[in-house]
Amino acid sequence: DAKTTQPNSMESNEEEPVHLPCNHSTISGTDYIHWYRQLPSQGPEYVIHGLTSNVNNRMASLAIAEDRKSSTLILHRATLRDAAVYYCILRDDDQGGKLIFGQGTELSVKP
Amino acid sequence: EAQVTQNPRYLITVTGKKLTVTCSQNMNHEYMSWYRQDPGLGLRQIYYSMNVEVTDKGDVPEGYKVSRKEKRNFPLILESPSPNQTSLYFCASSLAVREKLFFGSGTQLSVL
Repeated sequence: DAKTTQPNSMESNEEEPVHLPCNHSTISGTDYIHWYRQLPSQGPEYVIHGLTSNVNNRMASLAIAEDRKSSTLILHRATLRDAAVYYCILRDDDQGGKLIFGQGTELSVKP
Repeated sequence: EAQVTQNPRYLITVTGKKLTVTCSQNMNHEYMSWYRQDPGLGLRQIYYSMNVEVTDKGDVPEGYKVSRKEKRNFPLILESPSPNQTSLYFCASSLAVREKLFFGSGTQLSVL
């Protein structure tokens, strides 16, 4: 099963950009890279996903390395509401739907 | 509103008393899945379903059953709950395996 590695925790200041890294050195060619976040007492929430090219949406940007062995979730201006645990996971039809969530990165945002 | 609905939100039960946690989605999603979340262990997949009548084990299926008789519903059944199944449970769905997951609000289960 493809696995991801993320730092346990990161800190950011409010209004500043945040770069959350994820390593996935065993990624296969058809794995999609997904990011979710979980706020306290809530279910995980989709943030963004991509395959090869960098992706942007209203919540964040996803930068994918050329060899696809790593990716970075970018929050352009962190707010206090962005404090959450961020999970990077790989999804692929070939895995038959089985998913492995890592421990995630706990992001704290200081005012 | 597109959503995944789990019930109940909170449940306290006793060892051995069968229970069912319901999950329903209104987005016509093919894929559905159940997870449990425990402190220090993160989210672990229990079972998943690629489509109606197709289910398969995740990482921690022991002590759980599921069924997928209709596309919208994916109940989680604990035939004989034990205290080690005390956990926070999440149901999720997606249009297909590669697509984004939508999660329910969670069910906090306590087995005494």
